[in-house]
Amino acid sequence: DIQMTQSPSSLSASVGDRVTITCQASQDINNYLNWYQQKPGKAPKLLIYDASNLETGVPSRFSGSGSGTDFTFTISSVQPEDFATYYCQHFDSLPVLTFGGGTKVDI
Amino acid sequence: QVQLVESGGGVVQPGKSLRLSCAGSGFTFSHYGFHWVRQAPGRGLEWVGDIWNHGRNAYYADSVKGRFTISRDNSKNTLYLQMNSLRVEDTAVYFCATDAAVGRPQAWGQGTLVIVSS
Repeated sequence: DIQMTQSPSSLSASVGDRVTITCQASQDINNYLNWYQQKPGKAPKLLIYDASNLETGVPSRFSGSGSGTDFTFTISSVQPEDFATYYCQHFDSLPVLTFGGGTKVDI
Repeated sequence: QVQLVESGGGVVQPGKSLRLSCAGSGFTFSHYGFHWVRQAPGRGLEWVGDIWNHGRNAYYADSVKGRFTISRDNSKNTLYLQMNSLRVEDTAVYFCATDAAVGRPQAWGQGTLVIVSS
């Protein structure tokens, strides 16, 4: 089974900071990776699909990159509404999904 | 707009069964595959399983395989999760989500809480 290792598990940032989260796969997963934002008590929200594609309606300060085993999620200038937990998620062809452990971004 | 509403959660004893429902509206239900994803209190997201749009194929996480069954009734725009032989570790909020493309949960419901406790 493919394992997804997300880091860091938490980080503190100030408004306007650049925030970077990484996700590493235990084997080559091509670009089969999505990123989600989840706020407390709410459902996850899709932000980035296929590693680098911005979901419709998502602000351009969010971006994703990477392929193979190493992926990066970036918030270019974090805003107050961005404080949340972020998850990477791999999928295969069936599909079977695997989520990373999550990164909590707080002030 | 796309709306998914889960129901059927509650408190159940270990070993018992429970069926969750997910009602969809605002889109052509039969065109989409669906996922169930759960989140234990204070924990991360865990994929439970999914079902293709026609309902003939479903896949499950190892943690629920053989105990949980996903089905759908396209005539009722409803997705189901039958949970048997429940364990304390199945306690979680259960979300349903549409599959926008292979492996891409896109629209999510608000979740329904299942508590397995004696």
